Amino acid sequence: AQRVTQPEKLLSVFKGAPVELKCNYSYSGSPELFWYVQYSRQRLQLLLRHISRESIKGFTADLNKGETSFHLKKPFAQEEDSAMYYCALYKDSNYQLIWGAGTKLIIKP
Amino acid sequence: KAGVTQTPRYLIKTRGQQVTLSCSPISGHRSVSWYQQTPGQGLQFLFEYFSETQRNKGNFPGRFSGRQFSNSRSEMNVSTLELGDSALYLCASSLTTGRTEAFFGQGTRLTVV
Repeated sequence: AQRVTQPEKLLSVFKGAPVELKCNYSYSGSPELFWYVQYSRQRLQLLLRHISRESIKGFTADLNKGETSFHLKKPFAQEEDSAMYYCALYKDSNYQLIWGAGTKLIIKP
Repeated sequence: KAGVTQTPRYLIKTRGQQVTLSCSPISGHRSVSWYQQTPGQGLQFLFEYFSETQRNKGNFPGRFSGRQFSNSRSEMNVSTLELGDSALYLCASSLTTGRTEAFFGQGTRLTVV
């Protein structure tokens, strides 16, 4: 069955430290993966998607098919990065986004 | 352009009642998805509509239903409410499918007492 796993419910790092939010998936086809973010009192919004291969707000994520992972990374965390982060897998066959449970990222000053 | 609008924002209902939630997608978006969000379960997919057709339904009981109108606005209905239905219900719209960016509403907070 298709599944997205975010093993950390909570991740707390100091400002300026590197951040890595883990995401693992299980999917038999060719995956399309996304990271969505929800800042406090704001809507859930797209952060980045693997097909774009872009860096948004300093975040990058590389799809590793061998390890079935799509970890989100940032070399130097900023306080404004504190938010809830969700990894999601798009399942083409039934038009569905499958979501991880989310990781709450707290950046300490 | 206006974002996804969900109404009402907050709702308190009694067990056994039924409720209808509304979602107005971004203009031009034809796909609307609904999710239930709870602290313990995260985002759970309810259903997805495209051009008035339900293309997929999540693993929820038949008490949960929805529809989409010709202007892409969507409603979801929950009948015979149970305490466990208390959650934040999120609507997301996309141009065509979730493969493109999904734009979320602020949600409707439903409390069943």
